[in-house]
Parts: sequence; structure tokens; C-alpha cells
Amino acid sequence: GAGVSQTPSNKVTEKGKYVELRCDPISGHTALYWYRQSLGQGPEFLIYFQGTGAADDSGLPNDRFFAVRPEGSVSTLKIQRTERGDSAVYLCASSLESGGAPRGTGELFFGEGSRLTVL
Amino acid sequence: AQTVTQSQPEMSVQEAETVTLSCTYDTSESDYYLFWYKQPPSRQMILVIRQEAYKQQNATENRFSVNFQKAAKSFSLKISDSQLGDAAMYFCAYRSHNTDKLIFGTGTRLQVFP
Repeated sequence: GAGVSQTPSNKVTEKGKYVELRCDPISGHTALYWYRQSLGQGPEFLIYFQGTGAADDSGLPNDRFFAVRPEGSVSTLKIQRTERGDSAVYLCASSLESGGAPRGTGELFFGEGSRLTVL
Repeated sequence: AQTVTQSQPEMSVQEAETVTLSCTYDTSESDYYLFWYKQPPSRQMILVIRQEAYKQQNATENRFSVNFQKAAKSFSLKISDSQLGDAAMYFCAYRSHNTDKLIFGTGTRLQVFP
């Protein structure tokens, strides 16, 4: 597709369940980012991939959260033992190059997010 | 740690008029990037405009322009000739020159009245 695709668009689950959220970035984009946006807040950084490796996972709130990008394209955000406080919109973004590169354009292209509701 | 503050939870403007959204930030760095993103109800964040801190000239993109005051750590967005399609949440964001994290403010909801 032409843009960043995220599935599912909406997910309702019960407390304690396991959830996977998928992100399909723009073809050829090497950098991939996950952000979490709680109600009434701006997005908060979770994790950044450059290729297959997690270059920065400092935003993951605890060890219930994990993300992978095994082939350097599609990424999956995994949440174990979900809690009501995990309810949020999870946004994925990709860029052609690392935005951290000096003077790199690094423009991020965002998907429409996955809204997670934990009952 | 860097922070971004948007003190206007909501703003409104009449169609064809001009509106300014405020943003301040806190950092000890001298080299960084600033952004304004638009988030319509579709939830997709769309880049409106960006500013490199080393550039003194204010960025402009068609009807959108910024007033970047580095010493005051202020980065406001001016929307001229407002259109109904400009109605959305607007987020100010900061990025260090040597990282890939964007730090967002809490957003300003812009309403445009006909």
C-alpha cells in the first residue's frame, strides 16, 4: 500500500489477555516507530527500529510490552497480561532514513493507529 | 529532559481568518528540530511544518507559517485564510538532532466556523 497500515483498527480485550498489534510500514522505509497516545494526550514514544533491530526501546513502560520486526519490514507490538491502563491508541510510523542522522529529513509517516480498549 | 507545552487546549477561528497556536519547549540543547503535526479524526498524524533550530528564517508552507523564537524557546503556528478542513488536533513536537524520538505536547483542538 501507499501508506503505513495498522491492524486491527480497533481491538477490545479483557484484562489479563494477550494482544498483538501489527504495523506494515511504507515499502523501503528502514526506520519504524511505535507511539502510544492516551486519551487527551500527545503521542508518547515507545520503541524505534532501524532495520530488524530495536535501536531504542527506552519508552516501553514495562516488561509486558515487547515489539519485533524480524524481517525489517512488518512490526508487531505485543502486550502481555493487559491492564485497563493500557487502553490507548497505538500509533506506528515509518521513515525512509533514521531521523537521527545529521541533517536527515527523517520525516515520519504515521498510520491511523490501533485503538486498544481493555475492559 | 526535554518538554513541550501547549497551553491552549482549544482554539476557534472563523473561516478565512487567521489563528495562531502556541507552543513552548524546554531544552538545554542548541541543535534540534521542531514540528507541527495535524491529527484529524482519522487519527493519522500529518506533518504540517518543520523548523531546524540552526535556521534563523521561519519556515513557511503555503498558508502555514511559524514564529520561531529560539531564545524564548517558543514555536507558534500561524494558519492564514483558515479553511474548514483545517479543523483538527494540532500537536507541537521536539526532536533532538541526535535521536529519533519525537516529544509531543498535549495538543490544541482547532475548530473552524463557517
